[in-house]
Amino acid sequence: DVKVTQSSRYLVKRTGEKVFLECVQDMDHENMFWYRQDPGLGLRLIYFSYDVKMKEKGDIPEGYSVSREKKERFSLILESASTNQTSMYLCASSSPGLVGGELFFGEGSRLTVL
Amino acid sequence: GQNIDQPTEMTATEGAIVQINCTYQTSGFNGLFWYQQHAGEAPTFLSYNVLDGLEEKGRFSSFLSRSKGYSYLLLKELQMKDSASYLCAVRLRSNDYKLSFGAGTTVTVRA
Repeated sequence: DVKVTQSSRYLVKRTGEKVFLECVQDMDHENMFWYRQDPGLGLRLIYFSYDVKMKEKGDIPEGYSVSREKKERFSLILESASTNQTSMYLCASSSPGLVGGELFFGEGSRLTVL
Repeated sequence: GQNIDQPTEMTATEGAIVQINCTYQTSGFNGLFWYQQHAGEAPTFLSYNVLDGLEEKGRFSSFLSRSKGYSYLLLKELQMKDSASYLCAVRLRSNDYKLSFGAGTTVTVRA
C-alpha cells in the first residue's frame, strides 16, 4: 500500500522554538508538497519540490523553510515558531507520470504553538 | 490569487443525493480534482476532470464545464460514512503539479 508518512501527528511547541516536520514517501515520487490547513481557509501551499535539492515557494512561505536532501524525504522547518503557525500541516507527493498528477497526502501533523 | 468557491456546509439524509458545487476563477486551468477528507484523516483522491462532461465512479460522479468555470460532485445513495469534507482543487498548468484548493464543503449525513 502506497504511503506518505509524517513523523509526528501532534506537537506542542513554545514561541521561538525551532520546529522540524518530517515527511517520507515510499512511492518514488518526484514531487513533494507542504500545505497547511486552517478552518475556513482550506489548504494553502507553503513550499514544494520537484526534485532532490530543489525547492520553490508556494503561496505562504514566510516563516518557513524546507529541505529535500533525498528523493523520499521532504522536511518543513519553522525557524522560530509563532502562535499564528498553529495549524494542521499536510505533506503530499505526486508523480508527473500519473494521469492528472493526483496528490497523495500524509495523515497530517497538528502543531500547537503556545 | 486563485478564486475557488464551494459551499461551507451541506446536510442531507441517508439514501438521498447531494450535489456539491465548485466555481473557479483561476489564472490557468489544467484539470479539476475532488478529494474526500474524514475528520482527523488525510484527504483521499475521488475524481479528476480535465475535459467537459460527466465522470461516473460508482455512487460518485463529477461534472466539469470549463467555459463556465464550474464543477460539481454528485453523491448518490448517501451513507453515513459519506459524512466528511469534500475539497475542490484546480491544477493551473500542465507542467505545474501543485494544486490550488477551495476551502472545502462539510457534508453531514443524517439518519
